[in-house]
Amino acid sequence: QQQVKQSPQSLIVQKGGIPIINCAYENTAFDYFPWYQQFPGKGPALLIAIRPDVSEKKEGRFTISFNKSAKQFSLHIMDSQPGDSATYFCAPSRGNTPLVFGKGTRLSVIA
Amino acid sequence: ETGVTQSPTHLIKTRGQQVTLRCSSQSGHNTVSWYQQALGQGPQFIFQYYREEENGRGNFPPRFSGLQFPNYSSELNVNALELDDSALYLCASSLGTEIYGYTFGSGTRLTVV
Repeated sequence: QQQVKQSPQSLIVQKGGIPIINCAYENTAFDYFPWYQQFPGKGPALLIAIRPDVSEKKEGRFTISFNKSAKQFSLHIMDSQPGDSATYFCAPSRGNTPLVFGKGTRLSVIA
Repeated sequence: ETGVTQSPTHLIKTRGQQVTLRCSSQSGHNTVSWYQQALGQGPQFIFQYYREEENGRGNFPPRFSGLQFPNYSSELNVNALELDDSALYLCASSLGTEIYGYTFGSGTRLTVV
C-alpha cells in the first residue's frame, strides 16, 4: 500500500456536488488504473478503469482523469447523489500482478 | 448462480485456533485471489490460485494457506490465529490470472478474541 497514496481520507459533499478523489502511485510499470466502490458489508466493485494511453474516460456520472507524467489519476463524480455514499479505492496494477489498493476515501453525499 | 459466494459471512474465533473460509468463484472463472481488509484500510493481497496451484503470494506468513478445488472453488486456512488477524477476508475470482476481470465476493468478517 505504500506504493499508492490516496486522498482525501474522507469527503463530505452536498447532493449535486462534484467530489474529486486523487490517487498517486510510484510504480511506472502499472498499466491499469481502476477505481473500486465499496458499500458497508460488501466487497469492492469495479466502478471505472483507464489504461495509460488515454488521459480521460467517462462512464455515466463517473470520470477518470489520468496524468502519466505526474503519476496520478483522479475520480470525479458528477451530480453526486446520496446513493454514491461509499468508500472508494484506487488500485493501480499491471497485468497479472495483484491489485495494489489505496487506503480508501470515505465519501458522504448529504441531501 | 452468478457472482462470488463466500461463507460464512461472520465468524468469531479465539486466539490460537484455526479457521477455514470458503469461496465459490463466479461461473466460468478459473482463478481465485484472497485479500485481507483490516478495518479502515484497503484490501491487501494474500495469495492467488490458478488451476489448483498457488500462483503468487503477498507478504503473509505461512500460517495463511489455501486450496483450490477442481471446480475452482477455494479455501483460505489460517492457523494459530492472532488478534491482528481480525479483518474482512475477501475472495475475488477471474478468468485467467490477469486482474482486469476481478469480481469480489462480499467477504467473511473474522473476529479473533
